[in-house]
Amino acid sequence: AIQLTQSPSSLSASVGDRVTITCRASQGISSALAWYQQKPGKAPKLLIYDASSLESGVPSRFSGSGSGTDFTLTISSLQPEDFATYYCQQFNNYLFTFGPGTKVDIK
Amino acid sequence: EVQLVQSGAEVKKPGESLKISCKGSGYSFTSYWIGWVRQMPGKGLEWMGIIYPGDSDTRYSPSFQGQVTISADKSISTAYLQWSSLKASDTAMYYCARASGSYDFDYWGQGTLVTVSS
Repeated sequence: AIQLTQSPSSLSASVGDRVTITCRASQGISSALAWYQQKPGKAPKLLIYDASSLESGVPSRFSGSGSGTDFTLTISSLQPEDFATYYCQQFNNYLFTFGPGTKVDIK
Repeated sequence: EVQLVQSGAEVKKPGESLKISCKGSGYSFTSYWIGWVRQMPGKGLEWMGIIYPGDSDTRYSPSFQGQVTISADKSISTAYLQWSSLKASDTAMYYCARASGSYDFDYWGQGTLVTVSS
């Protein structure tokens, strides 16, 4: 099964900072990667699909890039509501995997 | 409006059985896969399995194969996750989610908290 790793596992940042989270797949997955945001006590929310497509209604400060095995989620200017945990997720041959998550908190 | 509404929180004893549900509305329930995701307390998301309600084609994560059963009743637009014998380690929040055409999960239920304790 394809494994996903994320780095860093946590980070502290300030409002207005540019934040980049990396997700690496154990084998190539083309662009079959999504990113989610989860806040405490809430269900995850889809941000990015197909590695770089912005889900409807998601602010444009969120962007995704990459293909194959290496992917990034970038928040161009961190806002107070962006403090949360972020997960990547891949799909391959009807099997799904989530990354371990990256917690973004306030510096 | 697409909605997935899950059944309420459960408190069970080890060894008991349980079936939780996820009712879809606002879209063609038989045309999208529905997945189940576990989140243990303070931990990350784990994909458990997925079902296509149109024909009940079901796939499981190797980690959950044989541990749970996923089913669906398309006549009432509801997917299910069930256990035959719960363990304390099954204590977690369980989410259902709709898989989009890109095989990401675009709509999520509110979650069902399952607590297993003697």
